[in-house]
Amino acid sequence: GENVEQHPSTLSVQEGDSAVIKCTYSDSASNYFPWYKQELGKRPQLIIDIRSNVGEKKDQRIAVTLNKTAKHFSLHITETQPEDSAVYFCAASKYSGGSNYKLTFGKGTLLTVNP
Amino acid sequence: DGGITQSPKYLFRKEGQNVTLSCEQNLNHDAMYWYRQDPGQGLRLIYYSQIVNDFQKGDIAEGYSVSREKKESFPLTVTSAQKNPTAFYLCASTGFATNEKLFFGSGTQLSVL
Repeated sequence: GENVEQHPSTLSVQEGDSAVIKCTYSDSASNYFPWYKQELGKRPQLIIDIRSNVGEKKDQRIAVTLNKTAKHFSLHITETQPEDSAVYFCAASKYSGGSNYKLTFGKGTLLTVNP
Repeated sequence: DGGITQSPKYLFRKEGQNVTLSCEQNLNHDAMYWYRQDPGQGLRLIYYSQIVNDFQKGDIAEGYSVSREKKESFPLTVTSAQKNPTAFYLCASTGFATNEKLFFGSGTQLSVL
């Protein structure tokens, strides 16, 4: 099955700095790569995603890049703010039919943005 | 916070007891999932269901059981065979209109007495 490795497990940055979280995946057939943000005590929420036919996607201060050859993808957050502090999870999946999308998650990165 | 509701928020299990976690959604989603979250372990898939009366094992199904008798409901039973049940359990759903985006419930924290 798919295996997703995520690094680092913790990341501390100063407000205004950039943060980068990296993930690698094992199944070359995976074609969908979302990132979820989980604030303390809350449910995970999708913040950005990318498909295998795209190399980069941006949404305001966040961006995701994908290198299919190397089987890795990264989350980039620029101009970090204290409200960016949360656990971030990467995930990978390949479409398996119907409305079922079976995601394999990384172990998460605890991002702390210091004011 | 509507859409997918989990209950209870906190649950305690005694030795040898089965407990059931509730998950209900009003999003008209076909697929539903149960994930287990342990500190530093990410989200691990327990069971998933694409359609009513059908479900498949995920990566860590041992000691758990599910049913999908209604589209809206996907309860998870933690049986006495699950020797390490203490964890945060998250239910999620996806539908054709929302593609791969998982909508999560607010979770149930299960602890052993």
